[in-house]
Parts: sequence; C-alpha cells; structure tokens
Amino acid sequence: NAGVTQTPKFQVLKTGQSMTLQCAQDMNHEYMSWYRQDPGMGLRLIHYSVGAGITDQGEVPNGYNVSRSTTEDFPLRLLSAAPSQTSVYFCASSYGRAGYEQYFGPGTRLTVT
Amino acid sequence: GIQVEQSPPDLILQEGANSTLRCNFSDSVNNLQWFHQNPWGQLINLFYIPSGTKQNGRLSATTVATERYSLLYISSSQTTDSGVYFCAVLRSNYQLIWGAGTKLIIKP
Repeated sequence: NAGVTQTPKFQVLKTGQSMTLQCAQDMNHEYMSWYRQDPGMGLRLIHYSVGAGITDQGEVPNGYNVSRSTTEDFPLRLLSAAPSQTSVYFCASSYGRAGYEQYFGPGTRLTVT
Repeated sequence: GIQVEQSPPDLILQEGANSTLRCNFSDSVNNLQWFHQNPWGQLINLFYIPSGTKQNGRLSATTVATERYSLLYISSSQTTDSGVYFCAVLRSNYQLIWGAGTKLIIKP
C-alpha cells in the first residue's frame, strides 16, 4: 500500500500560470480532500469529494478547481496562479466521511512569484 | 462558524517532561480529532475523540463536549514528539475545521 501520494513535492510558478497538483490513494477511500497550510495557521479546506463524480467546495475554493473521475485520483487545478496561493498543499483521504481517520499525503510546497 | 483555539501556541520542554495541550471550540461538535505534524511536514492522526478519554501509549486525550474543550496529554516526552499538534472539529459530515496548532519542541 502506497497510501496517499502527491506530486510534485515542490513547484515554482509565475503569476498567471496554471498547473495541476496530483493526488492518488490506493485504499479505496470514498472521501478525499485538499487543504492548504499557511505559516502559523491550521489547515484550511479547499475542495472535497465524497465519491467519483461528486465534488464540493470547502472554506477557500476560489482560484482552484477539482474533479474526481475515479475513486483513486483527485487532482487540484490552479487556474491562474497568484502569489496568495503560495502555500503547502495537502491531500487527504478517509473511508466514508471527514469524521473518520484521515490519511494524508506528504504535501506539495508551491511558490508563486 | 465554529472557532477552534489551541493553547499554548508554543511549548519547549526537556526530554522526560509531561505536557498538556488544550483545544477549545465555540460550538457543540460531534467529532474532534488530534493530529501530529512532524518536523518534516507529515501529518498523522492521533485520536478520534468526540467525548471521553482515550489512551495510546504515552499519549492520551480527553474531550469534555459539554464544556467545549479537549486536552492532549503527553507523558515522558521524547525528542520524536516534537512537531505541531493540531485539533480539528467536524463542522458537517464532510468538513473539518482546524485550530492553529501548538508547536512543541522537546530538547534532549
């Protein structure tokens, strides 16, 4: 079991560029989510999915898109990167809903210049 | 919305010491979880504890839902306990709201 994997580990973008952060899990979890972590703050939910074809917004969805075509994959797209999106991004998954034990990927450190 | 506050924000201890971390939340919740983020950034779920007390080795947690707080106890601290400890509460079936964390440094 690889658990939750994220790629890339590090990324530098210029303002206005777009990119996709990849997330995959091999535990057949229904629930997947994306968080961003900024210095001195807790994690904030960007988007989540409760199953293939079903996604919804979290606390801070602006500037991000998601899709869930398979149970395993949950990519996060930055449409037009802004310096305010400089952060560490974590993908998580769990069986069922958010209240169950969350498994986290290693994170992607994104810098937008 | 629900507010989650953690204290203290920072804690520095010698190896072998005990510590208590606190999490206050502003509204009644059905679920509370504690997480540890190690110095390399990896997040691990420690406890799922909507109420009562749980223990796992040197760590234990207590949630008093009626008084809207939870405590995480670490006994006989080791350097590997260093990192940031977060609590998070469930706002709905699908959204966890996180505190800002307690940064713990254990000195050898």
